[in-house]
Amino acid sequence: DGGITQSPKYLFRKEGQNVTLSCEQNLNHDAMYWYRQDPGQGLRLIYYSQIVNDFQKGDIAEGYSVSREKKESFPLTVTSAQKNPTAFYLCASTLTGFPNEQFFGPGTRLTVL
Amino acid sequence: KQEVTQIPAALSVPEGENLVLNCSFTDSAIYNLQWFRQDPGKGLTSLLLIQSSQREQTSGRLNASLDKSSGRSTLYIAASQPGDSATYLCAVSRTGTASKLTFGTGTRLQVTL
Repeated sequence: DGGITQSPKYLFRKEGQNVTLSCEQNLNHDAMYWYRQDPGQGLRLIYYSQIVNDFQKGDIAEGYSVSREKKESFPLTVTSAQKNPTAFYLCASTLTGFPNEQFFGPGTRLTVL
Repeated sequence: KQEVTQIPAALSVPEGENLVLNCSFTDSAIYNLQWFRQDPGKGLTSLLLIQSSQREQTSGRLNASLDKSSGRSTLYIAASQPGDSATYLCAVSRTGTASKLTFGTGTRLQVTL
């Protein structure tokens, strides 16, 4: 089955800890994205990558870091510098170029204790 | 800066009714518009994608229209069913930055028996 997987589904973090969220896709998509979703707000773009070994900041990159060492993988690290990390995190991917349709993974819910 | 608005925020209809969800955006220089469905605690499922040169797209009981000049899109759901209950999100990507989506806050739909 082709698709996007995210792990873990639920993640709990103590204040001051860094945590890493996994995102893997087997769709052979070029571009991958990380979004954050908070209640009552639309999804907001954290980071995106259109090619291996390259990535760009989105609208709310502060306190987050990413890497793109393989085409299939785009892990997101939530650092201790992120002031309010409790949220639902969604990973997406797309082929670059027409029609540029984005597909999403099932999400990871991060809670800071 | 692109802003996407979805009205109403919540909608309840009896089973069998036809309904329309609205999406408006402030910058008409879009590359495409996507409608998504999100069930509670889950990721997003892509429903329809409309390219900027298109006026509408259809999939089963769903029909999405796009009017770039007025900055509006509608999602029409025919003969609604309880299984249609979910949050519906629209998102636009801007010309020149085709990969980056700007999301609305969604319409939460409940279809009652």
